[in-house]
Amino acid sequence: QKEVEQDPGPLSVPEGAIVSLNCTYSNSAFQYFMWYRQYSRKGPELLMYTYSSGNKEDGRFTAQVDKSSKYISLFIRDSQPSDSATYLCAMVYSSASKIIFGSGTRLSIRP
Amino acid sequence: DGGITQSPKYLFRKEGQNVTLSCEQNLNHDAMYWYRQDPGQGLRLIYYSQIVNDFQKGDIAEGYSVSREKKESFPLTVTSAQKNPTAFYLCASNIGDPRAEAFFGQGTRLTVV
Repeated sequence: QKEVEQDPGPLSVPEGAIVSLNCTYSNSAFQYFMWYRQYSRKGPELLMYTYSSGNKEDGRFTAQVDKSSKYISLFIRDSQPSDSATYLCAMVYSSASKIIFGSGTRLSIRP
Repeated sequence: DGGITQSPKYLFRKEGQNVTLSCEQNLNHDAMYWYRQDPGQGLRLIYYSQIVNDFQKGDIAEGYSVSREKKESFPLTVTSAQKNPTAFYLCASNIGDPRAEAFFGQGTRLTVV
C-alpha cells in the first residue's frame, strides 16, 4: 500500500465549476501537508501549505485537512482554463525527514 | 532572477551510455534534491544533499550517482546500470527543511533510444 494515495484522473470540468481534489494517507505521523501545481512540461510550484486540521483559504483555493480520517482536499472555486494542470499533494512526517508526494491528479477546465 | 536551472531540457541516450543532467541554483539554498517522475507515480526521490560534499540516497538511488562539490550545483549521472532510465527528471532546492517550500527546475526529459 502506498503511503499517499491520489486519484490520477484525468478530471475534466466546465469553466466556473467547483473542483475537489483529494488525497488519503495511511500514516498518522504525517503532520505537514502541501499542494503543488504542475503545468505541462514544467516543474511543480507550491500552491498551498497547512499543518493543522481544518480549512485554509487563499483566493479561489481552499485546502482542507481531516487528520482523524487521514484525508486532505483542495477545492478550487470558479475554476478557470488556466487552472488546467496536474495537482500533487505532498506530506511531511512530524520528524521532518523527507517529503512524500502523491501521484498527481491531471485536471482540465473546459472553456 | 533567482531560481533553479536544469539542462538540457531534452536528452537522448543510447543504451549502455552514461549521461549527466545538470542542476544549478542561485537561491543560496543548502539542500538540493533529485526526483524522477513517471506517469501515474508522482515524484520519487533519487538522491538529496543537505550540505556541500555530502549526499544521501533516496528511495530509488540504484543506477544513479551524484556529486555536490559546490553549493550551487548538484549534477545527476544516470548510469548504464539504471534499467529503465526513460523518465522526466526534476531537480529541487530549499533551505534544508523538508517542511519548507521546495523550488523546482523545469525538468529534463531523458529518452533512451
